[in-house]
Amino acid sequence: GDSVTQMEGPVTLSEEAFLTINCTYTATGYPSLFWYVQYPGEGLQLLLKATKADDKGSNKGFEATYRKETTSFHLEKGSVQVSDSAVYFCALLTQAGTALIFGKGTTLSVSS
Amino acid sequence: GAVVSQHPSRVICKSGTSVKIECRSLDFQATTMFWYRQFPKKSLMLMATSNEGSKATYEQGVEKDKFLINHASLTLSTLTVTSAHPEDSSFYICSGTGDRGGTDTQYFGPGTRLTVL
Repeated sequence: GDSVTQMEGPVTLSEEAFLTINCTYTATGYPSLFWYVQYPGEGLQLLLKATKADDKGSNKGFEATYRKETTSFHLEKGSVQVSDSAVYFCALLTQAGTALIFGKGTTLSVSS
Repeated sequence: GAVVSQHPSRVICKSGTSVKIECRSLDFQATTMFWYRQFPKKSLMLMATSNEGSKATYEQGVEKDKFLINHASLTLSTLTVTSAHPEDSSFYICSGTGDRGGTDTQYFGPGTRLTVL
């Protein structure tokens, strides 16, 4: 079945460091891909999305490119801030359905 | 983004009792609402999908008689955990899609922590 695999955390970085969180997926057809972020004590928020191959989603300095050849959607940010500390979830929306399939989440901790 | 609220945010109950969790879309009409369960250090697991005015569709392995879902209006869905047991202790999260952001964008509530003693 469809699934999402993302790198295990926690990821600990210093402020202004470069961030990469890997995400790969298995799906039939052409799913839409998402990154959600969950800040402490808050609900999941959509960070960015891409709906077709080679699309790049971007928001708040984060970006991810839909790579169909490698079935990947890695999240990157050039310079992280303490306020980026959160749990990041990669997810796919199957082509056929309306259900989101999530990865297990990666905790990011940024220190000053 | 659109706002979804959940109530209560935290509930502790005795084994055998029933607990109702409310999920409200505050600034959009949610034609479809989803209920997820999140275990510690685990991903979100979809429990059921409900469309306003229709019966919920449950994922495989989720007991529909135990987890009662009602989606009576475009802004409110409820999840009732009936005859709760300690193994039902978890973090329950709802989300909705509708007239905001397209049907592929779900807006999530902050979650409800259920502890069954």
